[in-house]
Amino acid sequence: DTAVSQTPKYLVTQMGNDKSIKCEQNLGHDTMYWYKQDSKKFLKIMFSYNNKELIINETVPNRFSPKSPDKAHLNLHINSLELGDSAVYFCASSQSALGYTEAFFGQGTRLTVV
Amino acid sequence: GDSVTQMEGPVTLSEEAFLTINCTYTATGYPSLFWYVQYPGEGLQLLLKATKADDKGSNKGFEATYRKETTSFHLEKGSVQVSDSAVYFCALRGSGSARQLTFGSGTQLTVLP
Repeated sequence: DTAVSQTPKYLVTQMGNDKSIKCEQNLGHDTMYWYKQDSKKFLKIMFSYNNKELIINETVPNRFSPKSPDKAHLNLHINSLELGDSAVYFCASSQSALGYTEAFFGQGTRLTVV
Repeated sequence: GDSVTQMEGPVTLSEEAFLTINCTYTATGYPSLFWYVQYPGEGLQLLLKATKADDKGSNKGFEATYRKETTSFHLEKGSVQVSDSAVYFCALRGSGSARQLTFGSGTQLTVLP
């Protein structure tokens, strides 16, 4: 049983297109995140949702829009894709009230914009 | 804000060598500390964690001790194997409303036979 699952695993698309990445967790966690990993492996948080409410929105272009239909799902929609958006995007979840517990990560979505 | 400073890589070792990857942090309050590992082409997996000062996390022969006085959480292993080749991330989970993980820059470890 996969704890945090993302789809698709690979996404190749042209500049200017709009694409979505889906994420689901079956751990019963109340908080979900999107992280971006660049080509140097650096991980940076993009968004965080707690019980469907946006609580972190880092300096991310507004072409990126997260959507959380329920607390088990956090999707990422990207408009007008640019070459610089190429990266690996990771979804994660955690239980916010338990600060000592770890976050669980999906397998990542490798986005390539050509 | 919270930050994690991690030893620059890449690190290349021979099999059975001793490994240390340094990690220091800056945070308000009492963060929890973690080491995650990322094998090639995979997502991040928790390697070990420590939630309070002087706690030692351990797993698969790896160890790290939460040192509040030096704000450090160095990763060690006495004898590395080829299968340990991966990217290692130090992270902290702070006391902000989202309790998000803040990561260090990652250290690429390559173990040669």
